[in-house]
Amino acid sequence: DTAVSQTPKYLVTQMGNDKSIKCEQNLGHDTMYWYKQDSKKFLKIMFSYNNKELIINETVPNRFSPKSPDKAHLNLHINSLELGDSAVYFCASSRNGVYGYTFGSGTRLTVV
Amino acid sequence: GQQLNQSPQSMFIQEGEDVSMNCTSSSIFNTWLWYKQDPGEGPVLLIALYKAGELTSNGRLTAQFGITRKDSFLNISASIPSDVGIYFCAGQLNDYKLSFGAGTTVTVRA
Repeated sequence: DTAVSQTPKYLVTQMGNDKSIKCEQNLGHDTMYWYKQDSKKFLKIMFSYNNKELIINETVPNRFSPKSPDKAHLNLHINSLELGDSAVYFCASSRNGVYGYTFGSGTRLTVV
Repeated sequence: GQQLNQSPQSMFIQEGEDVSMNCTSSSIFNTWLWYKQDPGEGPVLLIALYKAGELTSNGRLTAQFGITRKDSFLNISASIPSDVGIYFCAGQLNDYKLSFGAGTTVTVRA
């Protein structure tokens, strides 16, 4: 019973393609996040949704668009992929935005 | 966003050693958290601290929330091989956003 599950685990695609990453949590949390981890392992927040409403939108290119169909799901769609988008993307969830986040196991995106 | 400085950047451990790492911030936080990341996995929460001065243990791990609210440390006592990984500190003020340090990579000394 995975608490926060992301699919796919690995994604290799060509520049210019459009791709999506899905995330689901079964913890009953009301807040979900997308983080990007670069090659130096630095974790940077991209987006956050609370009860399906966008509450955090960091400086992220417009090519990245999150969608939250319900509290348990937060998907990330990326248009016109670029080489610099290669990274590991983590989904996370929390209750009321506090008490620590629970992370998924990540999606390693490689753009060639 | 808030800047967190985590040190050391990397360390080697020998089984049985006590190790320590810390994190400082340019601004205050209301919550400090410590995470561990194993290869191919997401970060896992180790310890959460919610009050200035708080000292909390979780098995061989001990962490403290600094009095100034701008720093925290994590100690690992009697380290074992499975302690290797990347340890991250994270701080949160009042919003929903966690800011992370750059991580401390712990490796076993050959």
